[in-house]
Amino acid sequence: GAVVSQHPSRVICKSGTSVKIECRSLDFQATTMFWYRQFPKQSLMLMATSNEGSKATYEQGVEKDKFLINHASLTLSTLTVTSAHPEDSSFYICSARDYGSGSTDTQYFGPGTRLTVL
Amino acid sequence: SQQGEEDPQALSIQEGENATMNCSYKTSINNLQWYRQNSGRGLVHLILIRSNEREKHSGRLRVTLDTSKKSSSLLITASRAADTASYFCAKRETSGSRLTFGEGTQLTVNP
Repeated sequence: GAVVSQHPSRVICKSGTSVKIECRSLDFQATTMFWYRQFPKQSLMLMATSNEGSKATYEQGVEKDKFLINHASLTLSTLTVTSAHPEDSSFYICSARDYGSGSTDTQYFGPGTRLTVL
Repeated sequence: SQQGEEDPQALSIQEGENATMNCSYKTSINNLQWYRQNSGRGLVHLILIRSNEREKHSGRLRVTLDTSKKSSSLLITASRAADTASYFCAKRETSGSRLTFGEGTQLTVNP
């Protein structure tokens, strides 16, 4: 099946710094990617929908200037957490839809990025 | 809220027993999907059931969907210790492409 990768898998940074997380679809083109955040022992919360070549669509309550999303190519979306603070520490998971597959609802998830802000 | 409701929140059973998890939702859906997540890892897609389907099987998994009650259930038969994980339902809304997740059930299968 299709594979979605994320980099880095784990990052620790100081408060106030910015962190970029990459999400790549390895063997398919993804016009749409999704970014989720998951706090310990909680569910995945959709943060934003990333569309190739256009602005991302953010969910209510998610600051677009805080969480910058760039979907510059059909295989890469990036999430930048700007001026990170300890409350931004979380597990960030990206997902991509494979419209080229037989099922238009095939959505694959990356392995996640654990962000810890000190 | 993005999230549907799942119950139970936690389930502990013995190996060999069946595990049933339930998911309810509020809005109309195109389909409902079940995912598995091992601790600290990404999600693995288990099974998808469309709004016009009532039941689907995949190996030891059986999923049912009752659109009149806006609920779905996931049954894992003959459970194994390796089935220990969190299980989430996710609904694809008819009105858009968002896939939103329920709160999840933490399943523990004791050997």
